[in-house]
Amino acid sequence: ETGVTQTPRHLVMGMTNKKSLKCEQHLGHNAMYWYKQSAKKPLELMFVYNFKEQTENNSVPSRFSPECPNSSHLFLHLHTLQPEDSALYLCASSQANRGTAILNTEAFFGQGTRLTVV
Amino acid sequence: KNQVEQSPQSLIILEGKNCTLQCNYTVSPFSNLRWYKQDTGRGPVSLTIMTFSENTKSNGRYTATLDADTKQSSLHITASQLSDSASYICVVSAPKAAGNKLTFGGGTRVLVKP
Repeated sequence: ETGVTQTPRHLVMGMTNKKSLKCEQHLGHNAMYWYKQSAKKPLELMFVYNFKEQTENNSVPSRFSPECPNSSHLFLHLHTLQPEDSALYLCASSQANRGTAILNTEAFFGQGTRLTVV
Repeated sequence: KNQVEQSPQSLIILEGKNCTLQCNYTVSPFSNLRWYKQDTGRGPVSLTIMTFSENTKSNGRYTATLDADTKQSSLHITASQLSDSASYICVVSAPKAAGNKLTFGGGTRVLVKP
């Protein structure tokens, strides 16, 4: 148990489906992140939320839509995905203190959701 | 362009032996460098975080070194155990004034055999 819980662990969806990934952190952190990890490629930062506000969107296609209703929960809404979007999607959280650059803080990762788009 | 190159891509070692993983980066300016361990099918777990002023940091049998002048880091695993089989990822961050970007290495996959 890492303190960051992701559901579901595995998801298979068609290209016309709409699904959502959920992340919940029990660490009292105020920053949350979505990462994508494709086979044989480095981790890619997708979105950053700091105190529920999106502070970074790394040119992610609009078929990925994040939502952060509070500092403990983060969602990634998926629609009309492509097969190349199949990957491990990782959620992370960290404690971002004032004056500290958010991405310099130690991130704690969830187990990930293995997504397959067919 | 900021890059983080890790070598080797993969290695196999016998249980009880030592090994060293390399991370070379071009990120400049530089804020900190981290090593993560990622077991298959799980999220990464932080092993060490080093700022530019630190040149070594240990976490149990894991010892990371950093040479900010040559922009090189290494992760040394001592007396390897079967549970050390995992991917090891090097991550370098730029400071806030430089956009606070993270650059990830491609990882080194380590397999420890009995």
